[in-house]
Amino acid sequence: KAGVTQTPRYLIKTRGQQVTLSCSPISGHRSVSWYQQTPGQGLQFLFEYFSETQRNKGNFPGRFSGRQFSNSRSEMNVSTLELGDSALYLCASSLREDYEQYFGPGTRLTVT
Amino acid sequence: GQQVMQIPQYQHVQEGEDFTTYCNSSTTLSNIQWYKQRPGGHPVFLIQLVKSGEVKKQKRLTFQFGEAKKNSSLHITATQTTDVGTYFCAGGHAGNNRKLIWGLGTSLAVNP
Repeated sequence: KAGVTQTPRYLIKTRGQQVTLSCSPISGHRSVSWYQQTPGQGLQFLFEYFSETQRNKGNFPGRFSGRQFSNSRSEMNVSTLELGDSALYLCASSLREDYEQYFGPGTRLTVT
Repeated sequence: GQQVMQIPQYQHVQEGEDFTTYCNSSTTLSNIQWYKQRPGGHPVFLIQLVKSGEVKKQKRLTFQFGEAKKNSSLHITATQTTDVGTYFCAGGHAGNNRKLIWGLGTSLAVNP
């Protein structure tokens, strides 16, 4: 079974730009969660989608948004990028919101 | 709100010493999950505990779920350099608002 894939793997953007990251979950998984990880900050939960509906949301500003498609693939968007948005963005898929999660390799975003 | 506290934040041990990390939830959990993230990698699911008082072992790793289903521990016997990484716990909540609440992780360094 193919694992979780994330594209792109690396990205460099300039302050003020916007970015879209993509995540393809494991086949059959309907829950996709997004996390931001910076050095020493653990996993900061962004949001979680199940069957195209956002079910849970973390404490991030409205510049961070996401969506899930009917095939369970998910995208997250960050508008008006700030230097502090530089981080590793991880996507994880699971059968249900509270089941074990399988992570993708992440997208390393650098904002200059 | 629902929180999962994980201690310690960092731990340095000599190879061969034991290591324990603890998770405490402010609410009763439906399950507790443990993940390991190697440096430069992404979190990888280790195990899930569901039953009150449950104990599971994976080679040198012992996982426990408290009787009240609000706390858990991961114990590593005779650490090896391959144990280096960050260990995360995540508490599952079932019911109408299914979600996972993550601890901030314990970073383990092992001196050879």
